[in-house]
Amino acid sequence: DGGITQSPKYLFRKEGQNVTLSCEQNLNHDAMYWYRQDPGQGLRLIYYSQIVNDFQKGDIAEGYSVSREKKESFPLTVTSAQKNPTAFYLCASSNERGTSAYNEQFFGPGTRLTVL
Amino acid sequence: SQQGEEDPQALSIQEGENATMNCSYKTSINNLQWYRQNSGRGLVHLILIRSNEREKHSGRLRVTLDTSKKSSSLLITASRAADTASYFCATSLQGAQKLVFGQGTRLTINP
Repeated sequence: DGGITQSPKYLFRKEGQNVTLSCEQNLNHDAMYWYRQDPGQGLRLIYYSQIVNDFQKGDIAEGYSVSREKKESFPLTVTSAQKNPTAFYLCASSNERGTSAYNEQFFGPGTRLTVL
Repeated sequence: SQQGEEDPQALSIQEGENATMNCSYKTSINNLQWYRQNSGRGLVHLILIRSNEREKHSGRLRVTLDTSKKSSSLLITASRAADTASYFCATSLQGAQKLVFGQGTRLTINP
């Protein structure tokens, strides 16, 4: 099956802990994205990567970090510096190249993070 | 304010009726995309309309784009209970390597 997977589905974190959310895709897409969604809200872009070993901050990058060591993987770390991390996190990928995002994005099922 | 703003925020209709959702944006776009999200799930791409297109159909979906008014509408005809979901528009901005999503319309289809 081709697709994009995220794990875990639910994650609980104590305050002050870093946690890493996994995102893997086997669609051979160059571009990958991390979004945050709060209840009843739209998606806000955290980080994105157009190519391996390169990534850019999105609109709400503070308190988050990413890496892109492999084309198929784009893990997101939620650090203790993120003041309000409880949210639904969505990873996406697309077959983008170039300076504009033209194509549809394929989304994973999401990870719901709760800080206790 | 948001690049993509959707209207209404919530819509409740009877099964079989048509549902119309609107999206407005502020800057020039390459294309506009509509996505659907079932509760607690990821988004699914529905349809993409390019800036030089005015109307596009896919099954029971009809999307229009008016670049002079910077607005788009999504029409779902003959709605079904399974259409209950949130619907988001996303704009592909010229020169930007990302999509900008609206706040979404929560659609409820009553049986």
